[in-house]
Amino acid sequence: DTGVSQNPRHKITKRGQNVTFRCDPISEHNRLYWYRQTLGQGPEFLTYFQNEAQLEKSRLLSDRFSAERPKGSFSTLEIQRTEQGDSAMYLCASSSKARDRAYEQYFGPGTRLTVT
Amino acid sequence: GNSVTQMEGPVTLSEEAFLTINCTYTATGYPSLFWYVQYPGEGLQLLLKATKADDKGSNKGFEATYRKETTSFHLEKGSVQVSDSAVYFCALSSYNFNKFYFGSGTKLNVKP
Repeated sequence: DTGVSQNPRHKITKRGQNVTFRCDPISEHNRLYWYRQTLGQGPEFLTYFQNEAQLEKSRLLSDRFSAERPKGSFSTLEIQRTEQGDSAMYLCASSSKARDRAYEQYFGPGTRLTVT
Repeated sequence: GNSVTQMEGPVTLSEEAFLTINCTYTATGYPSLFWYVQYPGEGLQLLLKATKADDKGSNKGFEATYRKETTSFHLEKGSVQVSDSAVYFCALSSYNFNKFYFGSGTKLNVKP
């Protein structure tokens, strides 16, 4: 078990460019979540996958954001036409059902996006 | 809707002091409650959880009790150590664990 990995760890891009981040969850975890975290704030939920199905999406998520999880394994988060307000840490978490039926999330190290 | 409010930091304590970090929530249905910790330079880690009213979660000397009547899940530790210095996040999940809501975090500094 190597944990949740995210790539790249840092991304600097110019406003208007598209960026794509990748998340590799813990292999046996069927649930995958994306969050955005800005300085001094807690993670903000963006979207959730169960296997390959995207079952929840935050109303705050603009149409410029899209996420996929083909074959229920790794996931990608794409931001089109980036804006300076998109600068944040993007976190991925995966989970599976614990003995008490609660789902415990395991977080990756995050991808820090800076839009100049 | 669902939301979490936790006390603002930073909280500065001397080693061996008693710690309380307040967390209150607003939720529909039957949420589960969590505390996550982020040590300097590391990712978020689950510290403890409680899945129903009156449950007590505990781990590494930390405890929190799910209080439905006061909609609270306060984090406590009887004697903090320098190594407990970190940012602590309170969180709740929807009943089906499809969405999680986090508080803004409380930074704890423990001085020797």
